[in-house]
Amino acid sequence: DADVTQTPRNRITKTGKRIMLECSQTKGHDRMYWYRQDPGLGLRLIYYSFDVKDINKGEISDGYSVSRQAQAKFSLSLESAIPNQTALYFCATSDRLILDNEQFFGPGTRLTVL
Amino acid sequence: GDSVTQMEGPVTLSEEAFLTINCTYTATGYPSLFWYVQYPGEGLQLLLKATKADDKGSNKGFEATYRKETTSFHLEKGSVQVSDSAVYFCALSDRLTSYDKVIFGPGTSLSVIP
Repeated sequence: DADVTQTPRNRITKTGKRIMLECSQTKGHDRMYWYRQDPGLGLRLIYYSFDVKDINKGEISDGYSVSRQAQAKFSLSLESAIPNQTALYFCATSDRLILDNEQFFGPGTRLTVL
Repeated sequence: GDSVTQMEGPVTLSEEAFLTINCTYTATGYPSLFWYVQYPGEGLQLLLKATKADDKGSNKGFEATYRKETTSFHLEKGSVQVSDSAVYFCALSDRLTSYDKVIFGPGTSLSVIP
């Protein structure tokens, strides 16, 4: 079984709709991240959380919100989706005890906003 | 701030050719350096890493050496296979200045043809 899972894997929605992407992990890591991947831009950090009560904005948090429901669950919401949020979204985890901050990624969610 | 620059792709090679993907970085502190690989339809996974100057990371026939004097971490493989076709991301984590965030380069797409 995968250590980091994301649901859904693919989603097509319309402009203005609210969308939630979910991430779960069985690695026991305390840190979780949401990234967005666009061609030619690499991965950009949206939000990150170092424990259940800790939420931090990344470089592109506008238009997104997150919830850390438990150590193992970290969800990303688009309150009112717009076409330029069409992208591949990745959840990742890391362990604070691994000092170099190696990241473990989920399989990604491909989101299309029409 | 910290940043990562990679050679632009896409790169197309014949099977058994020699591969080099250039990566240079800018960092204020003492970063750890990574190469992640993304196979088609999958999330990123760690390929190799190096945590201090002159360290060499290696895995699956790939190698990269942490060169502080040239701020580089070039990825090399002596003989590529079709199964190496993927997108390769250079990344850094600088605990001194980025507070445990990972900064990714834009990615380099590699296609290996038989």
